Amino acid sequence: DGGITQSPKYLFRKEGQNVTLSCEQNLNHDAMYWYRQDPGQGLRLIYYSQIVNDFQKGDIAEGYSVSREKKESFPLTVTSAQKNPTAFYLCASSMAGVGETQYFGPGTRLLVL
Amino acid sequence: DAKTTQPPSMDCAEGRAANLPCNHSTISGNEYVYWYRQIHSQGPQYIIHGLKNNETNEMASLIITEDRKSSTLILPHATLRDTAVYYCIVAAGGTSYGKLTFGQGTILTVHP
Repeated sequence: DGGITQSPKYLFRKEGQNVTLSCEQNLNHDAMYWYRQDPGQGLRLIYYSQIVNDFQKGDIAEGYSVSREKKESFPLTVTSAQKNPTAFYLCASSMAGVGETQYFGPGTRLLVL
Repeated sequence: DAKTTQPPSMDCAEGRAANLPCNHSTISGNEYVYWYRQIHSQGPQYIIHGLKNNETNEMASLIITEDRKSSTLILPHATLRDTAVYYCIVAAGGTSYGKLTFGQGTILTVHP
């Protein structure tokens, strides 16, 4: 089945630690996105990538980093510089040129202890 | 991208039509209206989009007013599984590079 997978579903991090969230897609989509969602709020764009080896900052990129070495993978690292990392993180992908129709993964819930 | 305004919550009886409104009075000529929904603790799901004509697919219908300043998403026979947050988004089709702006949406609760 084609789709987007995110792992793990739940992630616990100690303060001061970096942590990497995984996102993989087998839809052959060129574009991939990372969003953050806080309780009761809409989604906010962290980073997006239109093509391999290229990515751009979204609205709230500070404290996060990404890489896009392969078309199917777009991992997100939450660094210790992110002051309030506890949130629900969602990855999405889309075909080139139709970025408005995005397919989302199930999300990773990150909790800082 | 144009801003959208949605009611914070709505209720609907199971089996009845759910009509979710969205105002987008500052929409530009090249901007489409997109609808997504998010069931609790899951990733959002794309529903439908349109430019100016009414659209229908297996999930829903989208009615856009002639002046394009508002639209309505219609779920013709709502079920309990349609309980979700519904987001109305306006974006320039194909040129926004996927930079969607998700507001707080409308919480639709379908009752038995």
